[in-house]
Amino acid sequence: EPEVTQTPSHQVTQMGQEVILRCVPISNHLYFYWYRQILGQKVEFLVSFYNNEISEKSEIFDDQFSVERPDGSNFTLKIRSTKLEDSAMYFCASSPGLLNNEQFFGPGTRLTVL
Amino acid sequence: KQEVTQIPAALSVPEGENLVLNCSFTDSAIYNLQWFRQDPGKGLTSLLLIQSSQREQTSGRLNASLDKSSGRSTLYIAASQPGDSATYLCAVGGMNYGGSQGNLIFGKGTKLSVKP
Repeated sequence: EPEVTQTPSHQVTQMGQEVILRCVPISNHLYFYWYRQILGQKVEFLVSFYNNEISEKSEIFDDQFSVERPDGSNFTLKIRSTKLEDSAMYFCASSPGLLNNEQFFGPGTRLTVL
Repeated sequence: KQEVTQIPAALSVPEGENLVLNCSFTDSAIYNLQWFRQDPGKGLTSLLLIQSSQREQTSGRLNASLDKSSGRSTLYIAASQPGDSATYLCAVGGMNYGGSQGNLIFGKGTKLSVKP
């Protein structure tokens, strides 16, 4: 069964460093998302991406964040200069399209900023 | 601003019991509602999706209902098993400015423990 994959599973970085989190959405899905979950808190929406552009973003998704679909399969989230409060589990999700909008989530990348 | 609340925060039941998890949301203008299961340290597994025009969905021992007007959804689990132990998340799908599906807004979850 097709699934969303994410790499790495765990990333440790120093404050101020740039990180890139990678996702491979389910092939033939059209909508892509990033969410995050700080330990013990709700899952929060960051950004959605459709037709090679951002379709919606939250207040969390400030200038430090960017997303890219560099080729036909990968979807990346870049954090330019990490802060301690960026430590969280980051989830990538994808959905097929408007007629079938169920979102399928990847296993997540645990980001630890020291 | 949409708020999603799940009650109870935690639930412990003996194996075999039928149970109901509750989810409420403040804005009834939703696109859909999705129930997920999350195991400790893991990703989210989609259980059921209910479109805003639907009243319920069923998958195996799971049944989810949606009452948009009252801002409520329930997840019914029949004949619970120890393997059902996990955190269950309710997420409401909003509508973006283009009128199509926007992001999901999550509740904090109900942590279910099923004792053998």
